[in-house]
Amino acid sequence: GAGVSQSPSNKVTEKGKDVELRCDPISGHTALYWYRQSLGQGLEFLIYFQGNSAPDKSGLPSDRFSAERTGGSVSTLTIQRTQQEDSAVYLCASSLSGGLGELFFGEGSRLTVL
Amino acid sequence: AQSVTQLGSHVSVSEGALVLLRCNYSSSVPPYLFWYVQYPNQGLQLLLKYTSAATLVKGINGFEAEFKKSETSFHLTKPSAHMSDAAEYFCAVRDHQAQKLVFGQGTRLTINP
Repeated sequence: GAGVSQSPSNKVTEKGKDVELRCDPISGHTALYWYRQSLGQGLEFLIYFQGNSAPDKSGLPSDRFSAERTGGSVSTLTIQRTQQEDSAVYLCASSLSGGLGELFFGEGSRLTVL
Repeated sequence: AQSVTQLGSHVSVSEGALVLLRCNYSSSVPPYLFWYVQYPNQGLQLLLKYTSAATLVKGINGFEAEFKKSETSFHLTKPSAHMSDAAEYFCAVRDHQAQKLVFGQGTRLTINP
């Protein structure tokens, strides 16, 4: 596609369930980022991929959060045993090569944990 | 660690008035600085970036920002606000080693008719 695609756009789940959020970056972009956007909190960095490896995963808030990227393309962010504080918009961005390249953002996946 | 502070979570101006959104960074070495805009229910879009070339950077939609090392600032301005400028604006910083952007808290800009 022409832009970064994220799915689902909206997800409502019950506390304790696992969720998977998907990001399909722009074709050819080697760098991929996940951010979390909460009300009044700005954007919180979660993890950065270069190709299939994650040289910086320092922003993952707990071991309930994990992410992977396969084929240097699609990435999945998994949250296990969701908690109410996980409710947020999860944004994915891709970049041609990292560095100073512009980040192109998807529209986000809004997660609501009841 | 690098950080940016955006002064004012909400700014309201009249249509046609000057827009000034403030951003200060913390770094002993001039970093790379960015402004992004987020329209309702959309992803973030790059407005402009500073990468140690010209200190006055021009971006899209008539916005510009000036890097001032002495003030550790990178404020965003637009001479005349349009209704379509209503959005949330984020300042971001990347240091010379890291690959990630660190974002400020965001400033919601409202334009009054």
